[in-house]
Amino acid sequence: IVMTQSPATLSVSPGGRATLSCRASQSVSNHLAWYQQKPGQAPRLLIYGASTRAKGIPDRFSGSGSGTDFTLTITALQSEDFAVYYCQWYSGWPFSFGGGTRVEIK
Amino acid sequence: QVQLAESGGGVVQPGRSLRLSCVASGFTFSNYAFHWVRQAPVTGLEWLAVTSYDGSTTYYADSVKGRFTISRDNSKNTVYLQMSGLTADDTAVYFCARAPTLATQFDSWGQGTLAIVSS
Repeated sequence: IVMTQSPATLSVSPGGRATLSCRASQSVSNHLAWYQQKPGQAPRLLIYGASTRAKGIPDRFSGSGSGTDFTLTITALQSEDFAVYYCQWYSGWPFSFGGGTRVEIK
Repeated sequence: QVQLAESGGGVVQPGRSLRLSCVASGFTFSNYAFHWVRQAPVTGLEWLAVTSYDGSTTYYADSVKGRFTISRDNSKNTVYLQMSGLTADDTAVYFCARAPTLATQFDSWGQGTLAIVSS
């Protein structure tokens, strides 16, 4: 399964809204996770099951979708949210990651 | 709290081997599956291998199958990645990650260890 993310880069103003897309080459049901990675840091789990926030993740992060099309929405962007975001299918081998979307300050 | 600490990276010549370790603490190690994921410079994440909670089941990415071996020692709370036949394309930061089962999200990650393959 190939995971394709768009756009590659998203420019958003602080306080604004970011909408990130992830498409699977075939249905992954809701077995989709989103991770955030900041420079020099490990990835951090944000969302799993397509829409369930991981422990400690603020509610300005939300996930939606099922089957092949998924969205990560970040509202009221804060300075710490500017990072790279990856989607991942995790319910079978190989555990494919998307290429990532960089959210940068506009 | 949950901690994963990778080690074993460094500079190695092409064709040589390297063994990475990931020591876990703060939770019951033997209840979880573990993955290795790598990230080459300025690129995305590449999943490499997974081991089940007891080590009885493993899977590999095609890119490393036959060259890399994942294993674990539940008595030492440690998961390993034995890498052989290394090439420059294996230069990357290597992360270990925990998952509740083989087919679930990666809920905790280590900080990574850098392996550089160069003559």
